[in-house]
Amino acid sequence: DVKVTQSSRYLVKRTGEKVFLECVQDMDHENMFWYRQDPGLGLRLIYFSYDVKMKEKGDIPEGYSVSREKKERFSLILESASTNQTSMYLCASSPGRGTGNYNEQFFGPGTRLTVL
Amino acid sequence: DQQVKQNSPSLSVQEGRISILNCDYTNSMFDYFLWYKKYPAEGPTFLISISSIKDKNEDGRFTVFLNKSAKHLSLHIVPSQPGDSAVYFCAASDRYDYKLSFGAGTTVTVRA
Repeated sequence: DVKVTQSSRYLVKRTGEKVFLECVQDMDHENMFWYRQDPGLGLRLIYFSYDVKMKEKGDIPEGYSVSREKKERFSLILESASTNQTSMYLCASSPGRGTGNYNEQFFGPGTRLTVL
Repeated sequence: DQQVKQNSPSLSVQEGRISILNCDYTNSMFDYFLWYKKYPAEGPTFLISISSIKDKNEDGRFTVFLNKSAKHLSLHIVPSQPGDSAVYFCAASDRYDYKLSFGAGTTVTVRA
């Protein structure tokens, strides 16, 4: 069974802390994505990666960075957490072109981050 | 500016009746559309998709209709069941992109 796992289900951090959110997929997918979900706004793309060490900004990258050192792992970093980054964070992965339906993304369970 | 819009934030339907969820898009380059279902405290799961070369796709109780000229798609659930109570997200992409654009979601509540 395909799986995307996220390191924490719930996280509480203080303003100014550096926060790491980890995501691992076991499907050998090329593409990985980080979204945040907020009420009334749906899922908004923060960053995505289409290959190891490659990354591209999504719609709302400000205040975030990412790291992809291995194909199966994609990390989201909040350099200095702020209260407006309190949200549900969702990681997803999808196959590359020619290896499957690259439009269909598989999601992890999410991390509910609260910044106090 | 949101390119995919779900204008109804919520929908309440009687068990056994039809649920109709609507989605509009503005980007004419979009040619692939998906619906995802999300339960609280879980990630979204893929439900059904449709390519722009079709106007209908059916999978069991779920049917998606696409009207390209109106840039509109809809998801029909027949018959609705209590387990269908969830948030439904519409998403779209174009063939040149890995990214999906999501709508804001519609919360469906199926009443017994």
